[in-house]
Amino acid sequence: QSALTQPASVSGSPGQSITISCTGTSSDVGGYNYVSWYQHHPGKAPKLMIYDVSSRPSGVSNRFSGSKSGNTASLTISGLRAEDEADYYCSSYTSTSTWLFGGGTKLTVL
Amino acid sequence: QLQLQESGPGLVKPSETLSLTCTVSGGSVSSSSYYWGWIRQPPGKGLEWIGSIYYSGSTSYNPSLMSRVTISVDTSKNQFSLKLSSVTAADTAVYYCARLVRGGERRFDYWGQGTLVTVSS
Repeated sequence: QSALTQPASVSGSPGQSITISCTGTSSDVGGYNYVSWYQHHPGKAPKLMIYDVSSRPSGVSNRFSGSKSGNTASLTISGLRAEDEADYYCSSYTSTSTWLFGGGTKLTVL
Repeated sequence: QLQLQESGPGLVKPSETLSLTCTVSGGSVSSSSYYWGWIRQPPGKGLEWIGSIYYSGSTSYNPSLMSRVTISVDTSKNQFSLKLSSVTAADTAVYYCARLVRGGERRFDYWGQGTLVTVSS
């Protein structure tokens, strides 16, 4: 099982939009709609931001949105704010009833 | 509000067994709606799913760790536990416990703060 592929880093200025990709295979991302995204500030508990590809938990800003095309899922953050600076991880259920995470993407708000 | 708290030794010697417990408050590990899982993050690296357990004791493990991992649940104490045997320096990581929603909306919706375990002599 290989980790899902994410860019190591992305950056954007306040107010801009950024997109983080998460690439897997037809046995995970492409085969199921159980893709979720987590925001992680170092030293804190990871926070669920998106689940089931595009659903937002209660309390998560609508500036966060998710989508999927084929074997690649994406997280888009619009109207970037300083507090969005964090590490972001994608996760997917797999055909072997296990879970995969991505390697993580460091978002820098310039 | 559901809370999860990891506990256990912060230092384990190579070749020994790492043991951690996750105590759940504000909810029940006996709920039929959830699994309970362990995830770790080695220093400077990404998250890695270790395994999950249902209140009945049914488990699922990461194939890369399966030969060394045991996850168990104690419904009377509202806890679940992780044992990882024959540890090496590569097992040094922050270990998180989390709740995994079952059914049609699967995700890890609540996480503990994490606990750093260092493997060193």
